[in-house]
Amino acid sequence: NAGVTQTPKFQVLKTGQSMTLQCAQDMNHNSMYWYRQDPGMGLRLIYYSASEGTTDKGEVPNGYNVSRLNKREFSLRLESAAPSQTSVYFCASTLGGGSNYGYTFGSGTRLTVV
Amino acid sequence: QKEVEQDPGPLSVPEGAIVSLNCTYSNSAFQYFMWYRQYSRKGPELLMYTYSSGNKEDGRFTAQVDKSSKYISLFIRDSQPSDSATYLCAIWHTGFQKLVFGTGTRLLVSP
Repeated sequence: NAGVTQTPKFQVLKTGQSMTLQCAQDMNHNSMYWYRQDPGMGLRLIYYSASEGTTDKGEVPNGYNVSRLNKREFSLRLESAAPSQTSVYFCASTLGGGSNYGYTFGSGTRLTVV
Repeated sequence: QKEVEQDPGPLSVPEGAIVSLNCTYSNSAFQYFMWYRQYSRKGPELLMYTYSSGNKEDGRFTAQVDKSSKYISLFIRDSQPSDSATYLCAIWHTGFQKLVFGTGTRLLVSP
């Protein structure tokens, strides 16, 4: 039972490069989320997908796009990376559908944009 | 004003101390209250979950909710160095169907 798996764990990008962060869960959860975590800022929601086929913006969506590929997978894309996107990115999932059992988080992706 | 306020710390205590971590919130639509623990370079993990006002105990951990004051607490008894981590409160917003997190309190327990 892997839970929530994020790849890659570490990445260094040059300004202007693009990349996709991958997230997969094996718990049959309906809802998935992407957060970024910065010192003193806590967890900030970038995008979320309440169910397969839907995506919505969170607090800080600018510069990011997402794809809910299927029920298991939710990817985050940076089209043109900027130094301000240097952060730790976490994917999370929950059963959803009005339930509220908390989120299961992945172990994170540490991204540095130089 | 943030919807969930939490003192960032760090909070430093000696081993064996009782630790009190706190959050305040502003929205009455918040109903489910959680505490997450995050070790350095790891993802947050769910520690405690409660719905109603009052206390919920799990081993050395007690979660307390006071809905009338919009105040939640996590108490750790007999704190251990292994409790050193960042603790985040999280509250379920029934209107938006998602969790709202505090910024986290960093706890350091020294041997």
